[in-house]
Amino acid sequence: QQQVKQSPQSLIVQKGGISIINCAYENTAFDYFPWYQQFPGKGPALLIAIRPDVSEKKEGRFTISFNKSAKQFSLHIMDSQPGDSATYFCAASGSRLTFGEGTQLTVNP
Amino acid sequence: DVKVTQSSRYLVKRTGEKVFLECVQDMDHENMFWYRQDPGLGLRLIYFSYDVKMKEKGDIPEGYSVSREKKERFSLILESASTNQTSMYLCASSLGGINEKLFFGSGTQLSVL
Repeated sequence: QQQVKQSPQSLIVQKGGISIINCAYENTAFDYFPWYQQFPGKGPALLIAIRPDVSEKKEGRFTISFNKSAKQFSLHIMDSQPGDSATYFCAASGSRLTFGEGTQLTVNP
Repeated sequence: DVKVTQSSRYLVKRTGEKVFLECVQDMDHENMFWYRQDPGLGLRLIYFSYDVKMKEKGDIPEGYSVSREKKERFSLILESASTNQTSMYLCASSLGGINEKLFFGSGTQLSVL
């Protein structure tokens, strides 16, 4: 039972474009929504996180948009760069962290 | 920076063997976790521990056990390895509280033949 559904599974974007990864959750008790970034050969690392009392959080080129009524949240990467090529995981937490399936992002030069 | 060290990057074992995966963190974190990562399934929690000698089952504990005898060390044990346990295993730690930032190790790719 996947409580956090992530899409797309893979994404190819040109340098300078916008990358968008979407996640949907079921459990209304979730109250913390982080995104993790994983480079090949490395463990995931926290990229950005949001709580449901705000609809958007921005850190540099990375923005989380949160829609509480739709139970959806998304990661936007503006001006995508080849160095952003990685696997991205959304997650949601109530009593424990539940991860989405992951999105493999490739940014072509 | 927090460092989470997993003892092996690659491991090959035979079906039925007992397998130990070791993880050490150097920042006095309260919580430690074991996840497995499989393509298309994301990260799934196997076990976690919020204190020495304490452990809690995650979402997929079957076929696994854990040991936390010291605060900095958390071991994952496969009692009798099976081919469906071939996977990437990730250890993580966090300072405390439910929604603290997780710090991950680089992972152990386990192949069970």
